[in-house]
Amino acid sequence: DVKVTQSSRYLVKRTGEKVFLECVQDMDHENMFWYRQDPGLGLRLIYFSYDVKMKEKGDIPEGYSVSREKKERFSLILESASTNQTSMYLCASRKGPGSYNEQFFGPGTRLTVL
Amino acid sequence: GQSLEQPSEVTAVEGAIVQINCTYQTSGFYGLSWYQQHDGGAPTFLSYNALDGLEETGRFSSFLSRSDSYGYLLLQELQMKDSASYFCAVRDSGNTPLVFGKGTRLSVIA
Repeated sequence: DVKVTQSSRYLVKRTGEKVFLECVQDMDHENMFWYRQDPGLGLRLIYFSYDVKMKEKGDIPEGYSVSREKKERFSLILESASTNQTSMYLCASRKGPGSYNEQFFGPGTRLTVL
Repeated sequence: GQSLEQPSEVTAVEGAIVQINCTYQTSGFYGLSWYQQHDGGAPTFLSYNALDGLEETGRFSSFLSRSDSYGYLLLQELQMKDSASYFCAVRDSGNTPLVFGKGTRLSVIA
């Protein structure tokens, strides 16, 4: 069974803290993605990666960075957390480019920044 | 860039049929997808249309008209468990990420 796991379901941090959100997939997928989900705004793409050590900005990269040192792991980093980064963060993976591949999502991390 | 429009909310009666529409604007087009998300859960894949026409999977069907930049998800014999948010999504090309609509919240009532 395909699986995408995220390090925490719930996280509470303080303004200014550095925050790491971890995502691991066990499907040997090449592509990985980070989205944030807010009510009424749907899923917005933050960053994505098509291969190890590669990263591309999505639609809302400001205030975030990512790291992909291993194929199975894609980390989202909030360098200095702010209250407007309180949100649900969803990681996803996909087999690769080319013909259509379904995206598999992790359970999400609900982050609250106080 | 891409943009997608879908209704924010739909309510339907158990056992009925409901259609959720999606219109899109993209510079390229590499298929229309639908995802379902229950409250507190992760989005899960429902269907994909690359070509015009209707694709059926059990109680769910998805339709695409590329000339109209339009598609819909059809849910038949609605059940209470179908209450969820439904997202349409598109890609510009085979090597780009999915871009999602804002989602349609479906409420199934008795």
